[in-house]
Amino acid sequence: AQKITQTQPGMFVQEKEAVTLDCTYDTSDQSYGLFWYKQPSSGEMIFLIYQGSYDEQNATEGRYSLNFQKARKSANLVISASQLGDSAMYFCAMRTLGGSNYKLTFGKGTLLTVNP
Amino acid sequence: NAGVTQTPKFQVLKTGQSMTLQCAQDMNHEYMSWYRQDPGMGLRLIHYSVGAGITDQGEVPNGYNVSRSTTEDFPLRLLSAAPSQTSVYFCASTRAVGQPQHFGDGTRLSIL
Repeated sequence: AQKITQTQPGMFVQEKEAVTLDCTYDTSDQSYGLFWYKQPSSGEMIFLIYQGSYDEQNATEGRYSLNFQKARKSANLVISASQLGDSAMYFCAMRTLGGSNYKLTFGKGTLLTVNP
Repeated sequence: NAGVTQTPKFQVLKTGQSMTLQCAQDMNHEYMSWYRQDPGMGLRLIHYSVGAGITDQGEVPNGYNVSRSTTEDFPLRLLSAAPSQTSVYFCASTRAVGQPQHFGDGTRLSIL
């Protein structure tokens, strides 16, 4: 069974500083994908970044980067130059690639607050 | 540019009532799924579909039914509402398993 663990229920960061949100995962599959989503207070789910298990380079999307350490089974999200609009709930998720297992498993989330 | 459309946005039901949450997508995605989000629990998969006519259970399927008669629509039915089903429900679709999911805006459901 797949499991996602986000150990930080809440995080605080000063505006313009970088912040790392932790995500560890557990799976016996060799081929899988890792996703990060942002959920602002308005409630919608916004896709941020994706990392495949066979990707050799860490994924980056603008101010978002994913620090992927396969041996440690961690996929931490790094947000550079935090902005007030980054205040939101952040979810890490994973899915097996290939086969018939379509299930996307989410962690419980980290609430990020950016202080001015 | 609709993406994934969920209706209604809010609903209050009495225990024992039934209702259908609607979900439609206009991106021709094969994969669709329903999640519920409860405080401190993240999102949990209820049911999913890998194409028209094909559905399967997720992590928390009890009390819910789904069907997929067309690629576009994936309704979620509550058979006999219970207070434990009070939650925010999200529908999502994706083109392929390695692609990110597109989420609807959610339905906030309260069961009294």
